[in-house]
Amino acid sequence: AQSVTQLDSQVPVFEEAPVELRCNYSSSVSVYLFWYVQYPNQGLQLLLKYLSGSTLVKGINGFEAEFNKSQTSFHLRKPSVHISDTAEYFCAVSDQQGGSEKLVFGKGTKLTVNP
Amino acid sequence: DAGITQSPRHKVTETGTPVTLRCHQTENHRYMYWYRQDPGHGLRLIHYSYGVKDTDKGEVSDGYSVSRSKTEDFLLTLESATSSQTSVYFCAISERQGAYGYTFGSGTRLTVV
Repeated sequence: AQSVTQLDSQVPVFEEAPVELRCNYSSSVSVYLFWYVQYPNQGLQLLLKYLSGSTLVKGINGFEAEFNKSQTSFHLRKPSVHISDTAEYFCAVSDQQGGSEKLVFGKGTKLTVNP
Repeated sequence: DAGITQSPRHKVTETGTPVTLRCHQTENHRYMYWYRQDPGHGLRLIHYSYGVKDTDKGEVSDGYSVSRSKTEDFLLTLESATSSQTSVYFCAISERQGAYGYTFGSGTRLTVV
């Protein structure tokens, strides 16, 4: 079964600084990868996804992620963050077992953007 | 989120009582999922459904049951609530497996006292 490790549980940054949220997954076989964002007291919203093709994936709100197969990583980046980016971010990988496919989530990274 | 509604949004219940949470979708998606979210654990899959009356267990299914008698509704029942089931519960839907990702509801905050 797949597993996902988000290496930082909390990341504090100042407004307009760059940020990277790290994600590693367990298997090097073909996978689909996702980043979701959760604003306070809300559900999860899809930021971006990698299915195949270009290893650099662009998402909403200026975020992008790079798929690195050799390092089994899918790190999320933004060159300049805003206060409104304060949220929890979840990395997820598709896991196919027993003929069904489900998403497995990491434990999340809380991004706090300070003025 | 548009097309997926969870009810109730908040509930406080006593230990030992049964509780049912409802997920309703208007997207006609085949796949539906129940997750629980706890600090330090992220989201963990409880049960999922791949069609009417077709359900299967996730990684934390003990103490929970589900039913899906219609495409649009997926019910999660805590048969005898315990304090360890205090959590935020999220429903998700997916048109197809894998690459399509999920659309999440707004969640139900359940407190068992």
